[in-house]
Amino acid sequence: GAVVSQHPSRVICKSGTSVKIECRSLDFQATTMFWYRQFPKQSLMLMATSNEGSKATYEQGVEKDKFLINHASLTLSTLTVTSAHPEDSSFYICSASSGPTDTQYFGPGTRLTVL
Amino acid sequence: AQKVTQAQTEISVVEKEDVTLDCVYETRDTTYYLFWYKQPPSGELVFLIRRNSFDEQNEISGRYSWNFQKSTSSFNFTITASQVVDSAVYFCALRENRDDKIIFGKGTRLHILP
Repeated sequence: GAVVSQHPSRVICKSGTSVKIECRSLDFQATTMFWYRQFPKQSLMLMATSNEGSKATYEQGVEKDKFLINHASLTLSTLTVTSAHPEDSSFYICSASSGPTDTQYFGPGTRLTVL
Repeated sequence: AQKVTQAQTEISVVEKEDVTLDCVYETRDTTYYLFWYKQPPSGELVFLIRRNSFDEQNEISGRYSWNFQKSTSSFNFTITASQVVDSAVYFCALRENRDDKIIFGKGTRLHILP
């Protein structure tokens, strides 16, 4: 299957700082990337969908100014959590697909802890 | 509205037993896609299978098998001769043809006891 990487795998930061998470498709061109958030023992909640070269589409209730998404190339999307607060602590997972109808392949996730 | 229901929150079985994970979905579309993903303790989601709505053939892959029944809107997943390494959370998911979003069920946490 296709390989998607995420970096960093784990990050701890102080409240008020910004954190950037990278998502890369390693062996295919990802025209569409998705960002999810997962709280402990819960399901994945879609935060936003990004298409290469376009602005991301955010799900209802997700603050676009707080969760900045950039999808500047066919292999890289970034999620920046701005002015992070403890309630932003979560497991963030990206996925990538080579087209809107194609299977999504998931990255290994990034565990964010905001102190 | 599309919806995926995994009624089994948590299941525990003894190693070598067979176990079936249930998934029931709702959609108004005639064309849609169903998925199963495995999430081991490491957190990474592992793709297991994708099925489109026009393909009702059951699938077998090693110890894994899937039973897709449109009449009951179900896409159940069976693990035969379970192993401890099968312990994970399993998510069933649905994507409608007109949408690129995947809707996940709440997951079933499977414990395989040695």
